Amino acid sequence: AQSVAQPEDQVNVAEGNPLTVKCTYSVSGNPYLFWYVQYPNRGLQFLLKYITGDNLVKGSYGFEAEFNKSQTSFHLKKPSALVSDSALYFCAVRDDNQGGKLIFGQGTELSVKP
Amino acid sequence: GAVVSQHPSWVICKSGTSVKIECRSLDFQATTMFWYRQFPKQSLMLMATSNEGSKATYEQGVEKDKFLINHASLTLSTLTVTSAHPEDSSFYICSARVNRGYTFGSGTRLTVV
Repeated sequence: AQSVAQPEDQVNVAEGNPLTVKCTYSVSGNPYLFWYVQYPNRGLQFLLKYITGDNLVKGSYGFEAEFNKSQTSFHLKKPSALVSDSALYFCAVRDDNQGGKLIFGQGTELSVKP
Repeated sequence: GAVVSQHPSWVICKSGTSVKIECRSLDFQATTMFWYRQFPKQSLMLMATSNEGSKATYEQGVEKDKFLINHASLTLSTLTVTSAHPEDSSFYICSARVNRGYTFGSGTRLTVV
């Protein structure tokens, strides 16, 4: 079965510093990987996705993620964090064996302090 | 483009009553809609997958008679929580497949008192 794991419940970063939110995956076949952000009491906003092609994926709001097949990772990164980046981040994988539903990681709460 | 409008944003209801949550695709046709439930600061738990014109497929452990899903048209899917109880209080989110990705509704905060 397809799965993703986010090993960190919380990540704390100072404003202006680079941030990384980790995600590892386990899939059979080609992985379709996604990152979403959620602000309190809101739906999920799409940040970026990896389907195929370049391993470095650039997304919304200055975020990027690197697909690493050998390490089965898809970490989310941003060179310079903003306080407004503080939110809940989800990594997800599409499970084509089950109707194309998204399988979500546990979520990582990012806190950026001034 | 590819916007899903979810209503209501929040609702408070009494125990034993039913609540309907609507998700409308505004500028595309949503043949498949996913319904999720989320507890505070936790991940999204898939409840069911609905396809237009057919019965929804429920995940294991989800009571289909309690969480009624209807997907009668390509632009509207509804989730009805029947005979709601306080333990049904949660955040419910719908999502539609678009192209090679997904778009999400803004969520509904249900509080059962």
